[in-house]
Amino acid sequence: AQTVTQSQPEMSVQEAETVTLSCTYDTSESDYYLFWYKQPPSRQMILVIRQEAYKQQNATENRFSVNFQKAAKSFSLKISDSQLGDAAMYFCAGGTSYGKLTFGQGTILTVHP
Amino acid sequence: DTEVTQTPKHLVMGMTNKKSLKCEQHMGHRAMYWYKQKAKKPPELMFVYSYEKLSINESVPSRFSPECPNSSLLNLHLHALQPEDSALYLCASSRGGGKDTEAFFGQGTRLTVV
Repeated sequence: AQTVTQSQPEMSVQEAETVTLSCTYDTSESDYYLFWYKQPPSRQMILVIRQEAYKQQNATENRFSVNFQKAAKSFSLKISDSQLGDAAMYFCAGGTSYGKLTFGQGTILTVHP
Repeated sequence: DTEVTQTPKHLVMGMTNKKSLKCEQHMGHRAMYWYKQKAKKPPELMFVYSYEKLSINESVPSRFSPECPNSSLLNLHLHALQPEDSALYLCASSRGGGKDTEAFFGQGTRLTVV
């Protein structure tokens, strides 16, 4: 079984600043993948970044990076140089056996100009 | 082509109607999914098809009936729905059905049951 928890229902950031979204997870599996998805008002879920649990190195994708703390079961997303287009709902998710994604409750990110 | 295409984008149906949602992908993915999403909530998994066979049914009511005619297509047949079934229905696909479930999502069908 896997659980994913996002404790920040809403966050806000000024344009060009940095913001960190938190996520914790719990799983009984030894091998798993973690993901951050973005869902803007257009509705489409877009993959932002992924992390394989067996990799020590934190994933980075342009302005997006993760802080993966395996022992603490923490998987936070850092957005640098925030842009207005980053405003969206962000979901943390874990990949489990049999093709099932488990999502957190989501964090609504507002970007102020 | 990295798209998952869903049709229609919007659907309004009465409780006695029968309708179908369609999903198509041409990425060679072997796993396809239906999710239901209420406003400001995470997607809830409904069904998983792996290699065209139903592998997960998350105790979904029988008024929702999935179908996978081939590896590129996924349908969701709707019959005798209730107003509480109004939601965004998302289709997704991934390379496989294992732990590497990096899913690509369609834009969804906004369903309203009246």
